[in-house]
Amino acid sequence: ILNVEQSPQSLHVQEGDSTNFTCSFPSSNFYALHWYRWETAKSPEALFVMTLNGDEKKKGRISATLNTKEGYSYLYIKGSQPEDSATYLCASNPSSGGSNYKLTFGKGTLLTVNP
Amino acid sequence: KAGVTQTPRYLIKTRGQQVTLSCSPISGHRSVSWYQQTPGQGLQFLFEYFSETQRNKGNFPGRFSGRQFSNSRSEMNVSTLELGDSALYLCASSLQGLGGYTFGSGTRLTVV
Repeated sequence: ILNVEQSPQSLHVQEGDSTNFTCSFPSSNFYALHWYRWETAKSPEALFVMTLNGDEKKKGRISATLNTKEGYSYLYIKGSQPEDSATYLCASNPSSGGSNYKLTFGKGTLLTVNP
Repeated sequence: KAGVTQTPRYLIKTRGQQVTLSCSPISGHRSVSWYQQTPGQGLQFLFEYFSETQRNKGNFPGRFSGRQFSNSRSEMNVSTLELGDSALYLCASSLQGLGGYTFGSGTRLTVV
């Protein structure tokens, strides 16, 4: 994997459903993996930053896991609500050569939760 | 505390003109990064500044430049605008540039 890739590109679920998205990133030169939530006309909101293999983070109904050896992270939303509708972005920091000051973003997963 | 402030929010320019966008970071944050989002693309890294020094630059032509002032406020400039420069430009600030990024709401630039 050379770039950060997210799947699916978009997702429609019903209120109350649980859902998950995938982020794949380069596993070499890894420093950190970030998840953001981005609602239309607002600024991206940081959800999680993870650095260690096996990391799991939780914030309310949203949680994330990290596998740095194989280069993937999952974001889970339990009991989706209409207010969870947003684009979910993941981004990685590489660890070397000054490039660690930049984030490489995936194209995002657009989640729509229908009432 | 105040968030990251970007001005202006919207801008319409003509091809060939130049434009300057401004980003005021969270107080105490010394790193400011800039990103471009065009339709169908993810956020693309432009450059990052820390204590008035550019530490990293993305793969953009030399028409894209930036600077950071002693109060950590940053500006980016695009000269000789092209239609393809129409995009949302976001800046993000952090303490040291290695995480804890807070984004502004962006400047929507339209080139006609």
